[in-house]
Amino acid sequence: DVKVTQSSRYLVKRTGEKVFLECVQDMDHENMFWYRQDPGLGLRLIYFSYDVKMKEKGDIPEGYSVSREKKERFSLILESASTNQTSMYLCASSPATGTAIYNEQFFGPGTRLTVL
Amino acid sequence: DQQVKQNSPSLSVQEGRISILNCDYTNSMFDYFLWYKKYPAEGPTFLISISSIKDKNEDGRFTVFLNKSAKHLSLHIVPSQPGDSAVYFCAASAEAAGNKLTFGGGTRVLVKP
Repeated sequence: DVKVTQSSRYLVKRTGEKVFLECVQDMDHENMFWYRQDPGLGLRLIYFSYDVKMKEKGDIPEGYSVSREKKERFSLILESASTNQTSMYLCASSPATGTAIYNEQFFGPGTRLTVL
Repeated sequence: DQQVKQNSPSLSVQEGRISILNCDYTNSMFDYFLWYKKYPAEGPTFLISISSIKDKNEDGRFTVFLNKSAKHLSLHIVPSQPGDSAVYFCAASAEAAGNKLTFGGGTRVLVKP
């Protein structure tokens, strides 16, 4: 069964702290994504990766960075957390582009981050 | 500017009746459309999709309709059940943009018993 896990369900951090959000998938998917979900704005893409050590900016990359050292793991880093980064963070993965179901992304349960 | 819009933030429907969720898009390069369902404290789960070469796709109680000329799609749920109460997101992708999905703002559906 397809599985995407995220390291924490809830996280509370202080302004200025460095925050690491971890995501692991066990489906051998090439593509991995980080989104944030805010009311009325839907899911907005922060960063994505098509392969190990590869990353591309999404629609709202400012204030974030990512790391993909292994195929199954994709980390989101908030270098200096700010209150406007309080949000639900969702990780997703999908097979390589060009396969039959490449459009469908599989999501983790999310991490609710609060920055005080 | 949002390329995918769900103009109704919420919808309330009686159990057994039809739920109709709407989605509009602006990018004519989008060629694949998906609906996701999300319960609180869970990640979104894929519900149904449609390719731009079709105008309808049906899966059990769920049907998605695509009107390319109007850049509009809709999701019909018939009959609605209390377990359908969730937030529904419309998403679109373009082959030229790889596997990136652009999501709408979501519609919260409440099915009343």
